Amino acid sequence: GIQVEQSPPDLILQEGANSTLRCNFSDSVNNLQWFHQNPWGQLINLFYIPSGTKQNGRLSATTVATERYSLLYISSSQTTDSGVYFCAVEETSGSRLTFGEGTQLTVNP
Amino acid sequence: NAGVTQTPKFRVLKTGQSMTLLCAQDMNHEYMYWYRQDPGMGLRLIHYSVGEGTTAKGEVPDGYNVSRLKKQNFLLGLESAAPSQTSVYFCASSYSPSGGLNFGPGTRLTVT
Repeated sequence: GIQVEQSPPDLILQEGANSTLRCNFSDSVNNLQWFHQNPWGQLINLFYIPSGTKQNGRLSATTVATERYSLLYISSSQTTDSGVYFCAVEETSGSRLTFGEGTQLTVNP
Repeated sequence: NAGVTQTPKFRVLKTGQSMTLLCAQDMNHEYMYWYRQDPGMGLRLIHYSVGEGTTAKGEVPDGYNVSRLKKQNFLLGLESAAPSQTSVYFCASSYSPSGGLNFGPGTRLTVT
């Protein structure tokens, strides 16, 4: 099956800093999504982005499908951005998402 | 619009006991999924459904059964719980296989 690798595994920031999270995948994909799991465990869909660039407020994401990676940018980070960020992909031959192991982000005040 | 709901939120079982987790969605989504999340790992797919009356195995289906008798409900059953099934279980739904997933709040299950 497809392999999904996220980096870094852990990231600690001061409030106001910017960050970039990376997701590498091992095969062609139909679908790529970014999720945020807050400290209370709730999972929120951030982006559906199989290719191209999208922006939503302070967050943006870019997927370069031909090079098999996606980036999630967080600008002017806030303490509420803390949590785990997951990348999930659906390979072209499949019908379900495979999740990476996540990036644990901690934003300190 | 409640989205995706799960019951119960917490449960403690003894080894060998059985239970059913209920997932309900009010968005008229065709696709529904059960995932488990273990410490330090991403989410792993247990079973999924592409419509009412259908079910399919995911990545880690052993020890679980599912049913989708109604479009809005997706049930996950454990017939004989084992400590290895201690986990947080998430249900999700989507309008298409490539659509954005909507997750429920999770069920924390402990098997002693």
